Amino acid sequence: EAQVTQNPRYLITVTGKKLTVTCSQNMNHEYMSWYRQDPGLGLRQIYYSMNVEVTDKGDVPEGYKVSRKEKRNFPLILESPSPNQTSLYFCASSRGRQMMNTEAFFGQGTRLTVV
Amino acid sequence: QQQVKQSPQSLIVQKGGISIINCAYENTAFDYFPWYQQFPGKGPALLIAIRPDVSEKKEGRFTISFNKSAKQFSLHIMDSQPGDSATYFCAASMLSNTGKLIFGQGTTLQVKP
Repeated sequence: EAQVTQNPRYLITVTGKKLTVTCSQNMNHEYMSWYRQDPGLGLRQIYYSMNVEVTDKGDVPEGYKVSRKEKRNFPLILESPSPNQTSLYFCASSRGRQMMNTEAFFGQGTRLTVV
Repeated sequence: QQQVKQSPQSLIVQKGGISIINCAYENTAFDYFPWYQQFPGKGPALLIAIRPDVSEKKEGRFTISFNKSAKQFSLHIMDSQPGDSATYFCAASMLSNTGKLIFGQGTTLQVKP
């Protein structure tokens, strides 16, 4: 089954404690990205990757890091989480901008609470 | 700077009615306009999409209307059903650039039986 898998689904952590949210896709997609969803703000892109070892900032990158060492994985790292990073996070993948089909496939989401 | 503005924020419609969600964009370089549907506890999923060379696209009960000169597009859900209750996001993208999706703020639709 084609899917994007995120883990964990729910996470409560304390301010300053480093955490990683994993994301994996099994569709051989080139393009992967992370979004955060906040009420009234929609989905905002944090970081994206157009291929292995190629990453770039989205609209709200402050406080986040990513890496793309393998095509299928795109972890999101919060080195020192703060309460304003409490949000619902989504990983997404798509074939890539050159393809006609640009449908983005989203994971199930990770609900993060930083206290 | 919100490049894609979506309204209304929430919408309540009776079963069988028409649901209409509107979006406006600023950047004329956008060339791909999808709508995503999100059910509670799930990630968004592509519902329907349109490119600016057509003014309307219909898939079943869902229709996108596109007005290039006004830089607006809308989603119409005909014969709305309780199962359509979800959050809907419009988005815009430049396929010639990074393909990055820029989303609207979202509309929570409730269809009452």
